[in-house]
Amino acid sequence: AQKITQTQPGMFVQEKEAVTLDCTYDTSDPSYGLFWYKQPSSGEMIFLIYQGSYDQQNATEGRYSLNFQKARKSANLVISASQLGDSAMYFCAMRDPSGGSNYKLTFGKGTLLTVNP
Amino acid sequence: DTAVSQTPKYLVTQMGNDKSIKCEQNLGHDTMYWYKQDSKKFLKIMFSYNNKELIINETVPNRFSPKSPDKAHLNLHINSLELGDSAVYFCASSQDPQGRANVLTFGAGSRLTVL
Repeated sequence: AQKITQTQPGMFVQEKEAVTLDCTYDTSDPSYGLFWYKQPSSGEMIFLIYQGSYDQQNATEGRYSLNFQKARKSANLVISASQLGDSAMYFCAMRDPSGGSNYKLTFGKGTLLTVNP
Repeated sequence: DTAVSQTPKYLVTQMGNDKSIKCEQNLGHDTMYWYKQDSKKFLKIMFSYNNKELIINETVPNRFSPKSPDKAHLNLHINSLELGDSAVYFCASSQDPQGRANVLTFGAGSRLTVL
């Protein structure tokens, strides 16, 4: 069973507009963590934002915010005021102890975001 | 100073050869990982070591053998390379893997092409 689902293979957004990248997850453990990573065309993996399952507030980091809806098991990434440099692949990931280990992150298949000028 | 460094960045080799990828981290982290990213960009964990002890081995063929001489290094050796081994291999490290904020710091990746 897929633990992390990103349903948007590709997204387009106009420069300076906001965009939401979807992520849903599945776990039976009450303690888990959700992460977003960015992979530009150069290939490196860049950590963006983290949300813990017990965190009361939605995580924010600069122009990135995480719309965490626990009951729906969704952790969507919102990028405000998109910039051309935001064009990249975005991965949602989960640390899920119910998968047998606290140590691993399981990644979704990614969403390719293109920011148009 | 690169936090997680992998060498080589590119590796082109023939089927059947044996090759190694090296990884070093200078972050003082206790846990290191190897992930494989396939041609469709799917990232899947292969191995994880915590303080030189193997923690995760994700049904990887035994042609792949990780080695961790110390907690700052995690190397990946691949025997008898096959076409399907072509991928980008990422090394990563983290400080607090059992904590809720298990942020992985990734290396730049090593692109392996098997001809």
